[in-house]
Amino acid sequence: NAGVTQTPKFQVLKTGQSMTLQCAQDMNHNSMYWYRQDPGMGLRLIYYSASEGTTDKGEVPNGYNVSRLNKREFSLRLESAAPSQTSVYFCASRAIGTGIFKNYGYTFGSGTRLTVV
Amino acid sequence: QQQVKQSPQSLIVQKGGISIINCAYENTAFDYFPWYQQFPGKGPALLIAIRPDVSEKKEGRFTISFNKSAKQFSLHIMDSQPGDSATYFCAASYSGNTGKLIFGQGTTLQVKP
Repeated sequence: NAGVTQTPKFQVLKTGQSMTLQCAQDMNHNSMYWYRQDPGMGLRLIYYSASEGTTDKGEVPNGYNVSRLNKREFSLRLESAAPSQTSVYFCASRAIGTGIFKNYGYTFGSGTRLTVV
Repeated sequence: QQQVKQSPQSLIVQKGGISIINCAYENTAFDYFPWYQQFPGKGPALLIAIRPDVSEKKEGRFTISFNKSAKQFSLHIMDSQPGDSATYFCAASYSGNTGKLIFGQGTTLQVKP
C-alpha cells in the first residue's frame, strides 16, 4: 500500500545511547518532515526537507540530526538520547503543487514510540 | 511561541450532538488551515482543510468555519458518532514550497453512545 513507512514502531533506549529512526515514502513526494508528539503540546516540527538534497531546522531541532538519503527516505538520528526525548515521533511527506492547485496535505506514518530511560 | 492555539483540550459529546473545536492563529501570513484526525496508535490523517478566501467549507458531517478578521477557525462535527471519538488537531501553513505545518495542541473528543 502506498504511504509513509516508519521503523521501528517501538524502541527503548538508555540515556546516552544513539539510534536512527527510519522513514520511507513511495508516493514520489518532494517534501518530508519529522514531528514529535507530546501530551498537551500537539505536534512540533523537528526537521524538514523541502526537496531532495536540502534539510532545515524546525521548531525543536536540538539533540537531533537528519539525512535526506534520496527522494524516498528521510532519517532522524538521536546522537545521545536524553529522557526529554521520550516521545512519539511521526514522519510525514507532502507533494508540492503549483499555481492555484497547490496541495499542502500531509501523509503521516504510523509513528515510532520512543522511551529513553 | 504557540502560533496556533486550540481549545478545548478535551470534549465529551452525546451521540447525535454537535462537537465544536476552536482554533486561533496569530500570523496573518498563514494561508492554509487543515484539520487532522488521529485515532489511538495511528498517525494523524487529513480530515478537511480551508483557505482564507472562503468562510465555510463542508464535507459530509464535518464543517470548517473561518473568520479571517478574528483570526479564528473552528471545526463542527454534526450528528457526532462514537466512531468520531479521536484526537483532532488544527494546523496552519505558510505560503511557499516548504509547506511547514504549525499544529494546535489537540482536542480529545469522546462521543458517548
